[in-house]
Formats: sequence, C-alpha cells, structure tokens
Amino acid sequence: DVKVTQSSRYLVKRTGEKVFLECVQDMDHENMFWYRQDPGLGLRLIYFSYDVKMKEKGDIPEGYSVSREKKERFSLILESASTNQTSMYLCASSLSGDEQFFGPGTRLTVL
Amino acid sequence: AQKITQTQPGMFVQEKEAVTLDCTYDTSDQSYGLFWYKQPSSGEMIFLIYQGSYDEQNATEGRYSLNFQKARKSANLVISASQLGDSAMYFCAMSTDSWGKLQFGAGTQVVVTP
Repeated sequence: DVKVTQSSRYLVKRTGEKVFLECVQDMDHENMFWYRQDPGLGLRLIYFSYDVKMKEKGDIPEGYSVSREKKERFSLILESASTNQTSMYLCASSLSGDEQFFGPGTRLTVL
Repeated sequence: AQKITQTQPGMFVQEKEAVTLDCTYDTSDQSYGLFWYKQPSSGEMIFLIYQGSYDEQNATEGRYSLNFQKARKSANLVISASQLGDSAMYFCAMSTDSWGKLQFGAGTQVVVTP
C-alpha cells in the first residue's frame, strides 16, 4: 500500500514565523503535490514536483515555496506565515498521471 | 481555463438508497481524466473512481459508478446501496496534463441516515 505521511496533523504558528510542512511517500512516485483545502473552494494546487529538485507553480503559489532534495520527500515552506494561510494542507503523490495518493493533512493555524 | 462545478453543497440520503452526485467540467482539451475522491471526517482523501476522456464505457468500481456524458461535459458519481460509512465529503476532480495535476470542485457533503 502506498503511504503518504505528513509531519504534523495540527500546527499553530505565529504571524511572521517560517513554517515547514514535510511530506514523505514510500512508493517511489515521481510526482508530488501540495494542495490547500478551504471550505467552499475545494482543494487548490500550490506547487508540484515531477522529479528531484524539479518544481512547478500551481494555481496559488504566492507566499509559498517548496523543496525536493530527495525523491521521497517534498517540503512546503511558508517563508513568513500570515493569517490568510490558516488552512488544511494536503500532500499527495502519484506515478505519472495516475490517481494521487494523499496524506492525512496538516491543519495549520496562524495566529 | 479549466473548471469543475459541483452544484450540490450537501445532501441527505437514506441507507440502502442510491445517490447521484453531480459534476460538470469545462475544458477545451481533448484528452483529460476525471476523478472522484471521498473525504471522511478524518480528513484523508480516498480515491474512488477514474474515467478517461477516451473511455467509451462508464467506469465502475464496486458500488461506485461514473455516469460520463461527454457531450454534456458531466461526470456524475452514482453510489448504489448507500451505507452509513458513505457519509463524507465527495470531490470531483479533473486532470488535463501528463503529470496528473488535479483541479477540484468545491465538494458535496453526503450524510447517510438510517
């Protein structure tokens, strides 16, 4: 079974802090994705990566950056957290264009 | 621009009944894939079913079937014989590139009642 894990289920940070959200997958998938989920908006793609050190912006990349130094790990970075980044963050991985496997999500609150 | 529309914010369904969740999509691409995911209250997204734009037959997976009407650009999910465990948020999503980036609808909250 594919397993996607995320470093925290719940996280509370202060405005202006640098925040790291970590995601690890164990099935050697090339593609990894970061989404944020907000009520009434569904999931929106922040960034994705199709290989180590390769990344592409998604639909809402502003205020975020990513890092993929190893194939299994994809990190989302909030350089200076703001209250409008309070959200549920979901990581996913996939093989080519197949279905994505999601992690359990991180509910981030920025105070 | 691509777009996914789910017009039903929420619905109640009785146990053992069938339920249809609506999804319409908008794309000018000829090749695309349509996905349905389930998100229980625990938060994890669970893949349910996939339909490719060139697939001539409607996809089925156990109690889930996808009613694909290409000309109408609709990809409705049908859940037969609803169970209490089907209570969840359901998302329709579309991919139009080889990486499989997904664009999601807003979701439909389904509550199954005894």
